[in-house]
Amino acid sequence: DGGITQSPKYLFRKEGQNVTLSCEQNLNHDAMYWYRQDPGQGLRLIYYSQIVNDFQKGDIAEGYSVSREKKESFPLTVTSAQKNPTAFYLCASSFSNYGYTFGSGTRLTVV
Amino acid sequence: GESVGLHLPTLSVQEGDNSIINCAYSNSASDYFIWYKQESGKGPQFIIDIRSNMDKRQGQRVTVLLNKTVKHLSLQIAATQPGDSAVYFCAEHQLRGGTSYGKLTFGQGTILTVHP
Repeated sequence: DGGITQSPKYLFRKEGQNVTLSCEQNLNHDAMYWYRQDPGQGLRLIYYSQIVNDFQKGDIAEGYSVSREKKESFPLTVTSAQKNPTAFYLCASSFSNYGYTFGSGTRLTVV
Repeated sequence: GESVGLHLPTLSVQEGDNSIINCAYSNSASDYFIWYKQESGKGPQFIIDIRSNMDKRQGQRVTVLLNKTVKHLSLQIAATQPGDSAVYFCAEHQLRGGTSYGKLTFGQGTILTVHP
């Protein structure tokens, strides 16, 4: 079955450490997105990519970095510059403007 | 410091009742709207969508109404079941000039609780 796989489901980060969240899709979608969700809030766009080797900043890109070396993969790195990284991170992909599919999320906690 | 979580709007209904969840969107240029259901610890699940050239769209047990005059969107769930309990988000899509893909902006969400 086609879908989006995010890993790990839970991730713990120490202060000052970089961590990378994985997002893989086998839907043959061109566009991929990363969103952040805080408790009691909606989703906010971090980065998105419309094509391999190209990506754009979303609304809250500071402290994050991404790469898009393959169509299927769009990993997100939460750097030490992100001062409040504890959140639920969601990856999505779309084949056009009208079909978004979400992964099951990664919950990141700073310890 | 850590941000304080906002209190989401809540809606409590009895099993079998009809539910109406409302959403105000921000951009009159938005061309497409989606309702998502999110259960605890999971990603959003697509429920129904509607394009801006429509006023109403029906699915299985769900109906979305769009009022562009007042920038208002609603989701109606018929015969609500305990399994419908979740957070419901509306999202608006805005095309970006000169690009192939637009941007999806999410509302804050509404907590729906269905009592047996």
